[in-house]
Amino acid sequence: AQSVTQLGSHVSVSEGALVLLRCNYSSSVPPYLFWYVQYPNQGLQLLLKYTTGATLVKGINGFEAEFKKSETSFHLTKPSAHMSDAAEYFCAVTLQQAGTALIFGKGTTLSVSS
Amino acid sequence: GAVVSQHPSWVICKSGTSVKIECRSLDFQATTMFWYRQFPKQSLMLMATSNEGSKATYEQGVEKDKFLINHASLTLSTLTVTSAHPEDSSFYICSARDNRAPYGYTFGSGTRLTVV
Repeated sequence: AQSVTQLGSHVSVSEGALVLLRCNYSSSVPPYLFWYVQYPNQGLQLLLKYTTGATLVKGINGFEAEFKKSETSFHLTKPSAHMSDAAEYFCAVTLQQAGTALIFGKGTTLSVSS
Repeated sequence: GAVVSQHPSWVICKSGTSVKIECRSLDFQATTMFWYRQFPKQSLMLMATSNEGSKATYEQGVEKDKFLINHASLTLSTLTVTSAHPEDSSFYICSARDNRAPYGYTFGSGTRLTVV
């Protein structure tokens, strides 16, 4: 079975600082990986996803993530944090099989201070 | 882009009553939809996978008779919480997989259920 582990339930950064949210996955087959953002009492918005091809994936709002098979990681980064980035971030995995659900990590709360 | 509409966004019901939550894909067809439950400050827990025209597949530990899922068309799935109790209070989120994009998962905005 596949799973993801998000290291750090809470990350705090200053505005303008680098954002790094960590995600490691476990899967017996090559996974498809996703990062979502959730604002309070709202659904999830896709930031980016890795399926095949280039391992460095660029998403919306300046976020990017790199798939590293050797490290089983898919960490999310953003060079310069903005106050509006404060939210809950979820890493998710699914199998390369259409119809399978996304399995989510426990989430990381990102706080941004001025 | 793909849009999923989920209604209601919040509902308060009395203990013992039933509540229906709708999840509609507005501009695409979704053979498969998923229902998640999210407790405060926690992750999304998959409850069931819903396939159009067939019975839903429930995750271990999810009561099929309490959480009734119907996926009667390619654009609509419903979750009915039957005989609701306070412990069913939670945030429920649906997700639809776009048939045109196998790994395009779109989420509804969620339903906050409070059982009093």
